[in-house]
Amino acid sequence: KQEVTQIPAALSVPEGENLVLNCSFTDSAIYNLQWFRQDPGKGLTSLLLIQSSQREQTSGRLNASLDKSSGRSTLYIAASQPGDSATYLCAVIGTGGGADGLTFGKGTHLIIQP
Amino acid sequence: NAGVTQTPKFQVLKTGQSMTLQCAQDMNHNSMYWYRQDPGMGLRLIYYSASEGTTDKGEVPNGYNVSRLNKREFSLRLESAAPSQTSVYFCASWVYYNEQFFGPGTRLTVL
Repeated sequence: KQEVTQIPAALSVPEGENLVLNCSFTDSAIYNLQWFRQDPGKGLTSLLLIQSSQREQTSGRLNASLDKSSGRSTLYIAASQPGDSATYLCAVIGTGGGADGLTFGKGTHLIIQP
Repeated sequence: NAGVTQTPKFQVLKTGQSMTLQCAQDMNHNSMYWYRQDPGMGLRLIYYSASEGTTDKGEVPNGYNVSRLNKREFSLRLESAAPSQTSVYFCASWVYYNEQFFGPGTRLTVL
C-alpha cells in the first residue's frame, strides 16, 4: 500500500526566506505527483503537477522536483511571503491508470512571520 | 467554468439521520472521487468512479453509498449517520494526464 510522508509537519520562518518542503512515498510506481495548498477552513488548490517522466515543474516562486527512483519530491518556495502561510499537501497517483484516486500526505503547516 | 461544485457547504445531522452530498463537474472529466478529511488522518478516499456507470470502494467506504448519476454528477449518501462520520467531505474530478480538481468541501457534523 502506498504511503506518503511529509516532513516537517510544521514550519515557521520569517518573511523573505527560501524554504523547502519534503515529500516521500514508498512505492515508486507512480503516475504523477501533485502539490496542493489548503488555507484554513477551505478547499484544496492545485499548485503543481509533475508527471512521472518529468523531473521538475515551476510556477512563479514555486518549484517542485521529483526523483521517482528514490521516492522523493520537494517543493521549493522562494522569497516567502506572509500570504504563503497555509498547509501544503503532497499527493501521488499510482500506475493503475490513476482512476483509483490520490494518496495524500498529512501536510506541512507553514507559517510565514511578517 | 464552475469547476467542481458541492452542496451543501455545511450540514448538522443527528445520529441515525440520512443525507446525500451532491457533487457536479463541468470539465467533462471521466473520473470522480469522494474523500474525507479528518485531523491527524489527512485525506482518505471513500469511493471513486472511473467512468460513467462504474463505482468502486476506496480506503474507507463503510457507512457510505455512491451514485454516478451521469458524467457530470457523483453523489455520496449516508444512510444512517454516526458521529464517526463527522468530517469535511471533498469531491474531486480527473482526466488522464491532468491534475485532480477539488470542490470547496462539505463540513458535516453528526451529533
